[in-house]
Amino acid sequence: DTGVSQDPRHKITKRGQNVTFRCDPISEHNRLYWYRQTLGQGPEFLTYFQNEAQLEKSRLLSDRFSAERPKGSFSTLEIQRTEQGDSAMYLCASSLSGRGNEQFFGPGTRLTVL
Amino acid sequence: GESVGLHLPTLSVQEGDNSIINCAYSNSASDYFIWYKQESGKGPQFIIDIRSNMDKRQGQRVTVLLNKTVKHLSLQIAATQPGDSAVYFCAEIGEKLTFGTGTRLTIIP
Repeated sequence: DTGVSQDPRHKITKRGQNVTFRCDPISEHNRLYWYRQTLGQGPEFLTYFQNEAQLEKSRLLSDRFSAERPKGSFSTLEIQRTEQGDSAMYLCASSLSGRGNEQFFGPGTRLTVL
Repeated sequence: GESVGLHLPTLSVQEGDNSIINCAYSNSASDYFIWYKQESGKGPQFIIDIRSNMDKRQGQRVTVLLNKTVKHLSLQIAATQPGDSAVYFCAEIGEKLTFGTGTRLTIIP
């Protein structure tokens, strides 16, 4: 257990539905990252926050995806109008700010879109 | 674009033997790398890191070698145990992590 928690651990939804995932980082970490991982691949960066500010978004993050970290603590990732291609593991990580500080990963939320 | 990739997708090793997992990177400006271990159903877990001012770094049963000339790094695991079975990723560290595809290591009892 790294101290980063994600909820839910598994989500099955029908195409076209909206889903929201939550990440609770390690409390003293001011950076929070979202990654997506498909089977057999390494995690791909989606976006990250420093405190409540969203500093970078990947091209992978289409306009159907939105992430928030309103109070600089937990974060939510929402996917609207889900598509089958959204099926993946969504990983959250947190770290202290600064390049090279270790990112601690949560267990992930596995999304299956039917 | 820049990428971090692995030579082999799977590797099977007899318990007790040593294993070597390789990784190639393409960004010559990369100067900091991490090896992660990911077990089934879990997020990646930090194993060891190395900066470009080093050629070698050792941890407990693990050694990472970095060859900047050919842009290659490797992870050596000594005296493998069943608990070493997992997928191993190398990642380049910037403001975010850039992961390679991963190698699945299976330890044969």
